[in-house]
Amino acid sequence: DIQMTQSPSSLSASVGDRVTITCRASQSISVYLNWYQQKPGKAPKLLIYAASSLQSGVPSRFSGSGSGTDFTLTISSLQPEDFAIYYCQQSYSNSGFGQGTRLEIK
Amino acid sequence: QVQLQESGPGLVKPSQTLSLTCTVSGGSISSGRYYWSWIRQPAGKGLEWIGRIYTGGGTDYNPSLKSRVTISVDTSRNQFSLRLSSVTAADTAVYYCARFSGTMIVPYYFDYWGQGTLVTVSS
Repeated sequence: DIQMTQSPSSLSASVGDRVTITCRASQSISVYLNWYQQKPGKAPKLLIYAASSLQSGVPSRFSGSGSGTDFTLTISSLQPEDFAIYYCQQSYSNSGFGQGTRLEIK
Repeated sequence: QVQLQESGPGLVKPSQTLSLTCTVSGGSISSGRYYWSWIRQPAGKGLEWIGRIYTGGGTDYNPSLKSRVTISVDTSRNQFSLRLSSVTAADTAVYYCARFSGTMIVPYYFDYWGQGTLVTVSS
């Protein structure tokens, strides 16, 4: 199984901040990496697919990068609606999610 | 607009079988590009992939659940289903169905999700 590890597990930031979340795979997964945002009581929402492609309708302040084993999700200027939990997910071999990063208001 | 909706009992007794159905609307489940998947999330915890089915044939399951899971599809009803046997309290979670989309060039991702349904395992 491919293990996905996110860091940090939680993060406090302010509106307007630039935030980066990291996801590391236990083996190379090329660009088979997606990012999701989940708000309380809601299903996850796709933000980024194939490591760096922005899903239609997602604000351009969200961006993704990386390949192989190391990936990042960056939010360039945090907005109030961005405070949520973020998950990475690999689709290289079956599927698997990182443990999540909780983004909280400072 | 594709929509997915989970349905099934919200309470299951220990050792019994959990059964859920996902109804797909706004598109045909038989389209060959998609895998239809189940994912669950215990309260306050992360997402766990359960498995998926390809309507062209074939299933893949999480190795940790494989011995207890069956996913099937009913194309005439545009539905797919999850059966999880021998449940325990550890199987209590919100269960989501989702569409897994991609191509030979673009890696797969979950683009449409159901709203989720809470299943509690308790006597």
